[in-house]
Amino acid sequence: GDSVTQMEGPVTLSEEAFLTINCTYTATGYPSLFWYVQYPGEGLQLLLKATKADDKGSNKGFEATYRKETTSFHLEKGSVQVSDSAVYFCALENSNSGYALNFGKGTSLLVTP
Amino acid sequence: NAGVMQNPRHLVRRRGQEARLRCSPMKGHSHVYWYRQLPEEGLKFMVYLQKENIIDESGMPKERFSAEFPKEGPSILRIQQVVRGDSAAYFCASSAGTPPNTGELFFGEGSRLTVL
Repeated sequence: GDSVTQMEGPVTLSEEAFLTINCTYTATGYPSLFWYVQYPGEGLQLLLKATKADDKGSNKGFEATYRKETTSFHLEKGSVQVSDSAVYFCALENSNSGYALNFGKGTSLLVTP
Repeated sequence: NAGVMQNPRHLVRRRGQEARLRCSPMKGHSHVYWYRQLPEEGLKFMVYLQKENIIDESGMPKERFSAEFPKEGPSILRIQQVVRGDSAAYFCASSAGTPPNTGELFFGEGSRLTVL
């Protein structure tokens, strides 16, 4: 079935470092792909999304490109801030139903000053 | 705060007891979804409801679990005769649009159930 695999955490970076969180997927067809973020004490929030191959989603300095050839949707940010400390979830839209998202296990990011 | 509200945030139950988790969707949202996150796992879809209707419960365990979204009041996820394996974080989400909505789900903070 459709599934998402993302890199294990926790990831610890210094402020202004470059961030990459890897995400690969297995799916039938070409589902929409998402990154959600969960800040401490809050619910998951949609960070960015891409709905077709080669689309680039971007928000708050984060980017991810839908790569059909490598079935990947890696999250990147050029210069992280302490406020980016959170858990990041990669997800894909289930091919059988547009509302059932399949999530990865989440990657915890800690950014230190 | 007009976000998705879940309560309780933390719930402890002994084996065999019942757990009830509540979710109030965002204002104006009529679609509710429940997800479960087991330890060391990603979130897994459980059920999709609209007011007074269960639309898709393909992710719900066949026994002991039920969900409702009445005409008035919050959505309820009910787990009867809980077992240790039910210990997890249960997330509720809501949306305004009709699926497929390409991921425009708004999540609550989750309810963490611990079964002793």
